[in-house]
Amino acid sequence: DAGVIQSPRHEVTEMGQEVTLRCKPISGHDYLFWYRQTMMRGLELLIYFNNNVPIDDSGMPEDRFSAKMPNASFSTLKIQPSEPRDSAVYFCASRIAGGRTQYFGPGTRLLVL
Amino acid sequence: DAKTTQPNSMESNEEEPVHLPCNHSTISGTDYIHWYRQLPSQGPEYVIHGLTSNVNNRMASLAIAEDRKSSTLILHRATLRDAAVYYCILRDGGQGAQKLVFGQGTRLTINP
Repeated sequence: DAGVIQSPRHEVTEMGQEVTLRCKPISGHDYLFWYRQTMMRGLELLIYFNNNVPIDDSGMPEDRFSAKMPNASFSTLKIQPSEPRDSAVYFCASRIAGGRTQYFGPGTRLLVL
Repeated sequence: DAKTTQPNSMESNEEEPVHLPCNHSTISGTDYIHWYRQLPSQGPEYVIHGLTSNVNNRMASLAIAEDRKSSTLILHRATLRDAAVYYCILRDGGQGAQKLVFGQGTRLTINP
């Protein structure tokens, strides 16, 4: 298996623009997680899905952030409008039901100017 | 989630064993102890986990204190590739608990 796939790997945008990050989980995995990593706050869980349904979005910083999972093989994290403080590395991870290991993607490095 | 405490950084030499400590004095009976590591410019990767007994796998060993208030990740023979941030995480084994809550971790430096 190719592992968790994220795109783009790097994104540079200007403040106010819409940003969409994409994730393809490992085939057969039932859980999908979105994390954000910054120097100040470390790794934070933003939201997670079970069988394509959002279960816990308490980590989503504000209404500018939204996440969807239209099917079992694809998820998006959207920021609209983006702000400089959104600059971070965003990771997607997936896990099989009953499993104990989360498998992380390589991350998307976002820079908002 | 119960809290873990790790040293901010540690240093070791190549081909020597490394013992990474983690304190978790408020651990509950259903909490599993997980270790992940994050190599530079990569996503975190699973290393090992355990509940009560010591555990071994191809990457490392996990030694869990008898009272479960602390644990130690052991890399038996460190290589330069083991330089990473190591995270000790408690995860409730209950059905409803799916989150991993990452702390600041221990940054491990390996000297050649």
